[in-house]
Amino acid sequence: QQPVQSPQAVILREGEDAVINCSSSKALYSVHWYRQKHGEAPVFLMILLKGGEQKGHEKISASFNEKKQQSSLYLTASQLSYSGTYFCGTDDYGQNFVFGPGTRLSVLP
Amino acid sequence: DTGVSQDPRHKITKRGQNVTFRCDPISEHNRLYWYRQTLGQGPEFLTYFQNEAQLEKSRLLSDRFSAERPKGSFSTLEIQRTEQGDSAMYLCASSPDGQQPQHFGDGTRLSIL
Repeated sequence: QQPVQSPQAVILREGEDAVINCSSSKALYSVHWYRQKHGEAPVFLMILLKGGEQKGHEKISASFNEKKQQSSLYLTASQLSYSGTYFCGTDDYGQNFVFGPGTRLSVLP
Repeated sequence: DTGVSQDPRHKITKRGQNVTFRCDPISEHNRLYWYRQTLGQGPEFLTYFQNEAQLEKSRLLSDRFSAERPKGSFSTLEIQRTEQGDSAMYLCASSPDGQQPQHFGDGTRLSIL
């Protein structure tokens, strides 16, 4: 079953922050985050395994609440290069790997 | 590391024809995934392989679709008797195992006339 992402789209000014949420109705083992720019393949950002850990990469970080089957992606001090569509992918203990519908992020100068 | 390679990049064919796509994963990646993506949607899972074994196939996939990975290296995806609704980008991804990042190829864009 496909995870739910919110918001569907967000528009930011350069330097602003954004949060993208991903939730599933199934118990999750891991959540993956990818970014896809128009006309390009998805690019891996990070994986979060069960345990409620939080990961970070420069100004992009994410958390995973295993009990709520939710993950959030945090983008701080956004840059123009952050524009694209963000997908979460969920793994329900190896049964299925499913991508969400995506959140379109536009960063304006 | 040359990345995931897909061939062809574009395929235009008439309805009813058969098409075959090829994916060369990153060497030594045991997992290989096939996805279909239409405009404005996320990648839709089709099937995946662990080495040469096909472990999962989407229930949404009709019998016209078949995939192989004969020696656990490259993979092919065949669509028989293509229909208008098959028009999409077909993405291949590989990873060392199920809990590692998936590395995507540039995809094959299929257009059905």
